[in-house]
Amino acid sequence: DIVMTQSPSSLAVSAGETVTINCKSSQSLLSSGNQKNYLAWYQQKPGQSPKLLIYLASTRESGVPDRFIGSGSGTDFTLTISSVQAEDLADYYCQQHYSYPPTFGAGTKLELK
Amino acid sequence: EVQLVESGGGLVKPGSSLKLSCVASGFTFSSYGMHWIRQAPKKGLEWIALIYYDSSNKYYADSVKGRFTISRDNSKNTLYLEMNSLRSEDTAMYYCAALSRGYWGQGVMVTVSS
Repeated sequence: DIVMTQSPSSLAVSAGETVTINCKSSQSLLSSGNQKNYLAWYQQKPGQSPKLLIYLASTRESGVPDRFIGSGSGTDFTLTISSVQAEDLADYYCQQHYSYPPTFGAGTKLELK
Repeated sequence: EVQLVESGGGLVKPGSSLKLSCVASGFTFSSYGMHWIRQAPKKGLEWIALIYYDSSNKYYADSVKGRFTISRDNSKNTLYLEMNSLRSEDTAMYYCAALSRGYWGQGVMVTVSS
């Protein structure tokens, strides 16, 4: 199984800051056939189910604000949230969908400083 | 509007059985593989089972293999998870999801305790 290692596990931020969450996979998520990286990012607020933010490493889901930016390729990926807002305080998870079983990172909790 | 609505959770004793259901609407359920994913209290997400769109293939996490069975009824737009020999470590919120579309249900809680 592909192991997803996420860092940091928690992050305290002030509104307006830019934050970066990292995700590293134990194997490359880059498909040689189509040059796409099979990596997704989810946001989960307390008491809610996960919400898809980013898929194929850098494509924003419809309706997701453009302050959420996914980047990276191969085994190293990043979710950047520019100008964090109070509504962004949540848990964030990366997930690979390159091979089965799909696996998740352990999560990053974004908290208010 | 896409909806995935889980039901069937509850409080059960170790060794018991439970069957979860997930009713889908707002998308072509029969065209997509469906997953069950669980989240223990204050923990991260754990994928536990996948069923192909036509039920031709099923995959399970090692933690539930041999105890849980995933199935679907495309005529009823419904996904199921039959859980046997439940253990305390199966206590979690259980989500059904069409991961390839990013669709998740709201989850159903299963608590295994004596």
